[in-house]
Amino acid sequence: EAQVTQNPRYLITVTGKKLTVTCSQNMNHEYMSWYRQDPGLGLRQIYYSMNVEVTDKGDVPEGYKVSRKEKRNFPLILESPSPNQTSLYFCASSSTGSTDTQYFGPGTRLTVL
Amino acid sequence: LAKTTQPISMDSYEGQEVNITCSHNNIATNDYITWYQQFPSQGPRFIIQGYKTKVTNEVASLFIPADRKSSTLSLPRVSLSDTAVYYCLVGDGYGQNFVFGPGTRLSVLP
Repeated sequence: EAQVTQNPRYLITVTGKKLTVTCSQNMNHEYMSWYRQDPGLGLRQIYYSMNVEVTDKGDVPEGYKVSRKEKRNFPLILESPSPNQTSLYFCASSSTGSTDTQYFGPGTRLTVL
Repeated sequence: LAKTTQPISMDSYEGQEVNITCSHNNIATNDYITWYQQFPSQGPRFIIQGYKTKVTNEVASLFIPADRKSSTLSLPRVSLSDTAVYYCLVGDGYGQNFVFGPGTRLSVLP
């Protein structure tokens, strides 16, 4: 089954404690992206990757890092989480770009205390 | 970047046709228009995409006028399960060059 998986689905942590949210897709997609969703703000892109070892900033990259060492994986790293990063995070992938059909993961609800 | 404007919310009744309009006055020549559906606590799901005129698939139709400054998602005969948030996305497919609209919360009533 074609899918995007994220782990963990729920995470509660404290300020400053480094964390990684994993994202994996099994569709051999070149394009992967991370979004955060906050009430009233819709979906905002954090980082995206056009292919292995190619990443770039989205609209709200501050406080986040990503890496793309393999085609299927695109982890989101928060080196020093802060309460304003409390949000619902989605990973997505598509064949070649953002207007190709994007397949979204189930979401990771992060709370930073 | 083309910004989009959608109604914040809409109500409808089962069996009715629902039309949701998205305004994108600054759409660029290379931009496509894509609509997604999102249920609570789930990731968005692709509904339909178009460039101009009309596109139809098994779940919806998308109407785009000649000037492409707006688009209308049409959902025929909605059911309770169509209650969701609908997002309009405009972009050319290359990385950051797209914008998700604020979304329209559709409530289908019995």
